[in-house]
Amino acid sequence: GENVEQHPSTLSVQEGDSAVIKCTYSDSASNYFPWYKQELGKGPQLIIDIRSNVGEKKDQRIAVTLNKTAKHFSLHITETQPEDSAVYFCAAVTGNQFYFGTGTSLTVIP
Amino acid sequence: DGGITQSPKYLFRKEGQNVTLSCEQNLNHDAMYWYRQDPGQGLRLIYYSQIVNDFQKGDIAEGYSVSREKKESFPLTVTSAQKNPTAFYLCASNRGWTDGYTFGSGTRLTVV
Repeated sequence: GENVEQHPSTLSVQEGDSAVIKCTYSDSASNYFPWYKQELGKGPQLIIDIRSNVGEKKDQRIAVTLNKTAKHFSLHITETQPEDSAVYFCAAVTGNQFYFGTGTSLTVIP
Repeated sequence: DGGITQSPKYLFRKEGQNVTLSCEQNLNHDAMYWYRQDPGQGLRLIYYSQIVNDFQKGDIAEGYSVSREKKESFPLTVTSAQKNPTAFYLCASNRGWTDGYTFGSGTRLTVV
């Protein structure tokens, strides 16, 4: 089955700097890659996603890139703000199965 | 507004008891899912249902049971057979196949 690895597990950045979280996957049949943000004590919320026919997608300060050949995708957050502090999960979707990474705890230091 | 409602938010259970976690959605989504979340282990799939009156086991179904009698509802029962039930439980739904999940706000179950 699919194996999704996510790095780093923790990340601290200064407010205003950029943050990058990377995920790799193993199954070339995976064709949908969502990213979720989870605040403490809450359920994850979809923040951005990308499908396998697209290499990059941007939504304001958030962007996702996909390299199908290397089987990795990354979340980029620019101009970070304290409210960006949360746990971020990537996922790779094969068929109807979602495979999640183990999460990255992002802390933005004011 | 449409969404998923999980209840209760916190639940305490004595060892040997069964408990049922509620999940209701008004998004008209066909598929619903239960995940367990433990620190450092990401999200692990317990059960999922793609249509009323049908459901499949996920990766860690042992000690859990579900039902899907209505499209809107997918309750999860944590039975006494579940050896380590203390965790954060998340319910999710989507229209099916490769659509993003909508998650509920979770239920934190603690065995005392």
